[in-house]
Amino acid sequence: GNSVTQMEGPVTLSEEAFLTINCTYTATGYPSLFWYVQYPGEGLQLLLKATKADDKGSNKGFEATYRKETTSFHLEKGSVQVSDSAVYFCALSDNSNYQLIWGAGTKLIIKP
Amino acid sequence: NAGVTQTPKFQVLKTGQSMTLQCAQDMNHEYMSWYRQDPGMGLRLIHYSVGAGITDQGEVPNGYNVSRSTTEDFPLRLLSAAPSQTSVYFCASSTWSGFGANVLTFGAGSRLTVL
Repeated sequence: GNSVTQMEGPVTLSEEAFLTINCTYTATGYPSLFWYVQYPGEGLQLLLKATKADDKGSNKGFEATYRKETTSFHLEKGSVQVSDSAVYFCALSDNSNYQLIWGAGTKLIIKP
Repeated sequence: NAGVTQTPKFQVLKTGQSMTLQCAQDMNHEYMSWYRQDPGMGLRLIHYSVGAGITDQGEVPNGYNVSRSTTEDFPLRLLSAAPSQTSVYFCASSTWSGFGANVLTFGAGSRLTVL
């Protein structure tokens, strides 16, 4: 069946460091891929998405490229800020229904 | 535009009590769902609905009941609360318009403690 695997956290970085959060998936066909972010005390919100191979999703300085050959959708940011501290979830949809398959989430802590 | 509204934000129950978590959306989304979030376990789907009068079970439905009498509302009922139901609950909704279109809009969450 479909599944999503994220790197375990917490990930702790200093401000202005480069960020990578790894996400790999298992799915048949051509899924859509998503990154959601959950700031402290809030619900999740969509950060970015990609719907086909080699698509790059981007938002708020974050980027992720849909790599079908490596079944990956790693999240990157060139220079993180304290305000980026949050939990990040990778998810996929097989596009046949509304359901999303979720990774376990990665907590990111940015220190000033 | 309020999006997805959940009430209450916080609730403390005693074992065996019942209660209803409310969820309302004003985006005319056909799909609505309930998740629970526990430390180290990510999000787990409890129940979902693809339209008024239609509901189905998710990954962890036991101990919970739902109904969907209108497009806007999707309440989650705890029939007899147990300490294992202590969690943060999120309601989420979406519409469908093709590939990758099932982007969920989440409520702010309801933190439930069962003593």
